[in-house]
Amino acid sequence: GQNIDQPTEMTATEGAIVQINCTYQTSGFNGLFWYQQHAGEAPTFLSYNVLDGLEEKGRFSSFLSRSKGYSYLLLKELQMKDSASYLCAVKDDYKLSFGAGTTVTVRA
Amino acid sequence: GAGVSQTPSNKVTEKGKYVELRCDPISGHTALYWYRQSLGQGPEFLIYFQGTGAADDSGLPNDRFFAVRPEGSVSTLKIQRTERGDSAVYLCASSLDSADTQYFGPGTRLTVL
Repeated sequence: GQNIDQPTEMTATEGAIVQINCTYQTSGFNGLFWYQQHAGEAPTFLSYNVLDGLEEKGRFSSFLSRSKGYSYLLLKELQMKDSASYLCAVKDDYKLSFGAGTTVTVRA
Repeated sequence: GAGVSQTPSNKVTEKGKYVELRCDPISGHTALYWYRQSLGQGPEFLIYFQGTGAADDSGLPNDRFFAVRPEGSVSTLKIQRTERGDSAVYLCASSLDSADTQYFGPGTRLTVL
C-alpha cells in the first residue's frame, strides 16, 4: 500500500519562505513529484526528484531523502499568486500516488 | 503547445444516468491516465493506457466504470448507473511514455444529484 503524509494547511507572509514536508511509505519508488493546484484548476508540475539531494528551480526547490522516506518543497520570496494547494506524489512504475495536499495561504 | 483538454468542464446528472467524460491528451503522448479527486483529497489513480490498450485498470472502483482509447489518442471515461458517491473531479493526464512526467488537464467536475 501507499501512505503519503503532508500537512493540511500552512500560512506565510508575502516575501517569506515556506517549507512543505512530505513523508511517504510506499511499496515501490520511481521518483517523487510536486504539483501545484489552484482551486478549480489542473495540477501543474513543479519538480521531480529521483536521487537524494536538492533540486533548485527558480524560487522553488525540492529535496529528497530516500532512506528516510522524506521530501520537502521550499518556496522562496513568496508571492500572492503562490496561494494554492501543493501535492506531493510518489511514482511507482507509471502510477502516481498523491498525498491529500497542503493548502498554502500567502498573506500581504 | 496545447495542453491536455477535457470536456465537459462540468457535468450535472441524476442518479442512475449514464455519463461520458472526454480527454484529449497532448499530441504525441502515448501514455494516458485517469484520476479521480474528491474534495480535500489528492487525485486517486483509476486507469492507465499505453497506446490503445488499458495496461492497468486496477483503480476503477467497480464495473460501472469503463474507459476506452480506440485510436491511441482521445480517451473516454464512461460511467453507468451513476451514484451520488461518484461525484468528484475526474482528471486526465498524459505523458510521452510511462517514464515521463505526467501533465494534467483541468478536469471534469461531475455532480450526481
